[in-house]
Amino acid sequence: DGGITQSPKYLFRKEGQNVTLSCEQNLNHDAMYWYRQDPGQGLRLIYYSQIVNDFQKGDIAEGYSVSREKKESFPLTVTSAQKNPTAFYLCASSMGRVNQPQHFGDGTRLSIL
Amino acid sequence: QQQVKQSPQSLIVQKGGISIINCAYENTAFDYFPWYQQFPGKGPALLIAIRPDVSEKKEGRFTISFNKSAKQFSLHIMDSQPGDSATYFCAASSRRGNKLVFGAGTILRVKS
Repeated sequence: DGGITQSPKYLFRKEGQNVTLSCEQNLNHDAMYWYRQDPGQGLRLIYYSQIVNDFQKGDIAEGYSVSREKKESFPLTVTSAQKNPTAFYLCASSMGRVNQPQHFGDGTRLSIL
Repeated sequence: QQQVKQSPQSLIVQKGGISIINCAYENTAFDYFPWYQQFPGKGPALLIAIRPDVSEKKEGRFTISFNKSAKQFSLHIMDSQPGDSATYFCAASSRRGNKLVFGAGTILRVKS
């Protein structure tokens, strides 16, 4: 089945620790996205990548980093610089052409220990 | 300019009733307006989308109405069912940015 796989489903971070969230897609999509979801605030864009080896900051990139070394993978690192990391993180992908539907994974819930 | 304002925050509808969720935007460059449905613990799934060259689009019980002059669009769910209980997000994007801007979401509960 084609889709987007996010792992782990739940993740706990200690103070001062970096953690990496995995996102893999087998839809052969060019574009991939990371969103943060907080209650009552909708989805906010962290980073996006429209092609391998290239990515751009979204609206709330501070304290996060990404890489796009392979078309199917777009990992997100939540660094210790992100002071309020507790949230539901969603990865999405699309064909990359203008205004194509985005397909979402089932998210990773990150909490602070 | 980039905001999409969604209302209401939450909505309770009786089974068989009509659920209506509204969104408004400012950026006149927006030209793609999707709606997403999200169940607890899951990622959002595309429900229906509209482009500004039409005023209405219907798929089954779900209809998007679009008012370009008022810069508003809305989702109507006819004959609402308990299985429709979920969070609904409107969104918008433009050819220039190719990034989706999401509304804050509406939590819909359909009472049986």
